[in-house]
Amino acid sequence: ETGVTQSPTHLIKTRGQQVTLRCSSQSGHNTVSWYQQALGQGPQFIFQYYREEENGRGNFPPRFSGLQFPNYSSELNVNALELDDSALYLCASSQKGLRNEQFFGPGTRLTVL
Amino acid sequence: GEDVEQSLFLSVREGDSSVINCTYTDSSSTYLYWYKQEPGAGLQLLTYIFSNMDMKQDQRLTVLLNKKDKHLSLRIADTQTGDSAIYFCAETGGATNKLIFGTGTLLAVQP
Repeated sequence: ETGVTQSPTHLIKTRGQQVTLRCSSQSGHNTVSWYQQALGQGPQFIFQYYREEENGRGNFPPRFSGLQFPNYSSELNVNALELDDSALYLCASSQKGLRNEQFFGPGTRLTVL
Repeated sequence: GEDVEQSLFLSVREGDSSVINCTYTDSSSTYLYWYKQEPGAGLQLLTYIFSNMDMKQDQRLTVLLNKKDKHLSLRIADTQTGDSAIYFCAETGGATNKLIFGTGTLLAVQP
């Protein structure tokens, strides 16, 4: 069984640029959730994708967007990057209805200069 | 509102028991979770408890749930240096069952 993987592991961007982060879900999982973890904080829910549709969104602006593909992998896109977007971005996969156990990838560390 | 609170720091000696506490707000959460995060790593699911349970034991881990006070605790028996990490409790919220995390408790285990 393959766990959740994310790419890249680290990324440095400048203000105003755009970034795409990728996530491969665990085998057998159909739901992907994205979280932002700022330094010293707990993860904050960005949004969730189920069967290629957005299935709920946290308090993040529209410049945060996502996609889910037929193989259940997912992308997180952030436009017009701001300094405060610097964080660890975590992807979690789960199987809807199965106790909602969410399994996390190692994260992508994004630094915005 | 959504607010999960934890104490920031706990220091114990190797071999002692550790107790990490958490208060949550959403009484409708079906499951409550404990995650572990080591430096530079993602989150590892340690254990969970169903909301109609008071206690769950899993090897060295014991979870206690007081629904009346919305209080959750994680006890680690015989704490080892490898247990040093940040521990997050999380409740589930809304139709998505999104996880709502606390700010995390840094557990430092002294040899």
